[in-house]
Amino acid sequence: DAKTTQPNSMESNEEEPVHLPCNHSTISGTDYIHWYRQLPSQGPEYVIHGLTSNVNNRMASLAIAEDRKSSTLILHRATLRDAAVYYCILRSFARGATNKLIFGTGTLLAVQP
Amino acid sequence: EAQVTQNPRYLITVTGKKLTVTCSQNMNHEYMSWYRQDPGLGLRQIYYSMNVEVTDKGDVPEGYKVSRKEKRNFPLILESPSPNQTSLYFCASTTTVRDPYTEAFFGQGTRLTVV
Repeated sequence: DAKTTQPNSMESNEEEPVHLPCNHSTISGTDYIHWYRQLPSQGPEYVIHGLTSNVNNRMASLAIAEDRKSSTLILHRATLRDAAVYYCILRSFARGATNKLIFGTGTLLAVQP
Repeated sequence: EAQVTQNPRYLITVTGKKLTVTCSQNMNHEYMSWYRQDPGLGLRQIYYSMNVEVTDKGDVPEGYKVSRKEKRNFPLILESPSPNQTSLYFCASTTTVRDPYTEAFFGQGTRLTVV
């Protein structure tokens, strides 16, 4: 399974944009890039996913490098509620792949008022 | 509302006393799985099920059992719990193993302490 590398922690100020990076240099052509986050005392929740093109949804944007070896989750205006651990995960659609989500240690995002 | 429900949320038990943690989803998902979360080790998959009566081991299956008799339910069974199974447990579900672009839904977690 291809691995991802994220910074252990990041800080942001409320109302400012946050860019959370993820490196996945061994990504294969059959891997989707997913982001989940885990708020304190809760289960992980889906944020966004993409394959090759940049993606936007109501929660965030995902910018994917042209070579797909890295991606960046963008929170356009951080709020205190966005303080969480953010996980970058690769999911394969290759034949025989399972739906196992391989969680790394993620990035702990602190948001200052 | 789409959700995955785990029970109980908190449980303290003694070594060797069999217990079951229930998990139920209301989204007609085929794929369900159990994870445990430990400090410094992150989330690791215990068991998963691709559909009714189809289960398989994840990365850390020792000491656990599961069953999938109905599509909506996927209980986690600890036949003889030991202190090293003290952990935070999460159940998750997603539509099907063939759709890696769909989101997984997680339960709220069960904090288990074995003394």
